[in-house]
Amino acid sequence: GIQVEQSPPDLILQEGANSTLRCNFSDSVNNLQWFHQNPWGQLINLFYIPSGTKQNGRLSATTVATERYSLLYISSSQTTDSGVYFCAVSYNFNKFYFGSGTKLNVKP
Amino acid sequence: KAGVTQTPRYLIKTRGQQVTLSCSPISGHRSVSWYQQTPGQGLQFLFEYFSETQRNKGNFPGRFSGRQFSNSRSEMNVSTLELGDSALYLCASSPTSGVQETQYFGPGTRLLVL
Repeated sequence: GIQVEQSPPDLILQEGANSTLRCNFSDSVNNLQWFHQNPWGQLINLFYIPSGTKQNGRLSATTVATERYSLLYISSSQTTDSGVYFCAVSYNFNKFYFGSGTKLNVKP
Repeated sequence: KAGVTQTPRYLIKTRGQQVTLSCSPISGHRSVSWYQQTPGQGLQFLFEYFSETQRNKGNFPGRFSGRQFSNSRSEMNVSTLELGDSALYLCASSPTSGVQETQYFGPGTRLLVL
């Protein structure tokens, strides 16, 4: 299967700071998504981004498929951004491979 | 549109028992996937069903099985429960193939095996 590596594993920020989360994957994919897992365990879609750049408010993401990596940018972080961020990739319908996540803690 | 729903939300079982979890996808979605999340192994793919057929399968023992009904609702069953089966079980749905589609996850079922 595809190997997915996320970095950093842990990140502590002060409110208002910016951050970049990285996802490297080992093979060509036709689907890449970023998720935020809330404290109750639900995975919330942030971006569907197999290639290119997208922005949604304070969040943006870029995937460079030819170099097999994706970046998630969080600007002006807020305490509600805390949680675990996952990158998931697939090359075979809905069989997704997840990274181990980046645990973000935004302090007031 | 209602989101993906999973029942029950919490479950406590003892070793050797079996359990059935249910997932109702978003209306119109025909693909349902199941994942297991544990602190040690992270998020792992169990299987995917599309139009009542298993389309993909992960590397789990045969004690883990599933099915999908004609209304796209899905169930997964774990027989002869082991302590290591304690996990958060997540269900996801998408319209069809998953290619160029977003997967939507349910709130999960937390299973504790004693």
